[in-house]
Amino acid sequence: GAVVSQHPSWVICKSGTSVKIECRSLDFQATTMFWYRQFPKQSLMLMATSNEGSKATYEQGVEKDKFLINHASLTLSTLTVTSAHPEDSSFYICSATGTRSHGYTFGSGTRLTVV
Amino acid sequence: GQQLNQSPQSMFIQEGEDVSMNCTSSSIFNTWLWYKQDPGEGPVLLIALYKAGELTSNGRLTAQFGITRKDSFLNISASIPSDVGIYFCAGHIQGAQKLVFGQGTRLTINP
Repeated sequence: GAVVSQHPSWVICKSGTSVKIECRSLDFQATTMFWYRQFPKQSLMLMATSNEGSKATYEQGVEKDKFLINHASLTLSTLTVTSAHPEDSSFYICSATGTRSHGYTFGSGTRLTVV
Repeated sequence: GQQLNQSPQSMFIQEGEDVSMNCTSSSIFNTWLWYKQDPGEGPVLLIALYKAGELTSNGRLTAQFGITRKDSFLNISASIPSDVGIYFCAGHIQGAQKLVFGQGTRLTINP
């Protein structure tokens, strides 16, 4: 079945630094990838949708200059949290869908803690 | 943004009991998905529904795509401790790439 690998699973960084999170589709071509943010005891909040080779489409209220998304290949998308602050601490999850699948496969998530 | 109303928000049951949860929306969906999320993990797909009226089972899990295309339910029979977690419904509006998620149902099982 479709597998999405997300790395790292957790990261601690200092305030003001940038953090990159990778999302890879291991056994299918991911034409579209999605990035979510999840606060404790809450549902997944979509941040942005990225199609391979195109600029990401950001949801209302999500700062595109702060959350940089790159989807340069059919198997890799990255989310970079720039100039991170403690309020950016959250659980970030990616998902991917491909040309042969109706399903949306999720990565295992990245716990970001900004200190 | 578009929201799915998922209920109940939480359930506390005894091991062996059956569980039922549902999602409703004011919009028509052409796909309904049910996910389970364990702590510190991403959601894992349980059941996918693509047609109005479709009833699909996956082991002890059964889900149905409502005939009006605005609702779906998930049933779990004979619950076991590993069923503990948060269950999310998600819907796919026709023509839209993104999924809309329900608020989640947190399931706790007393042994």
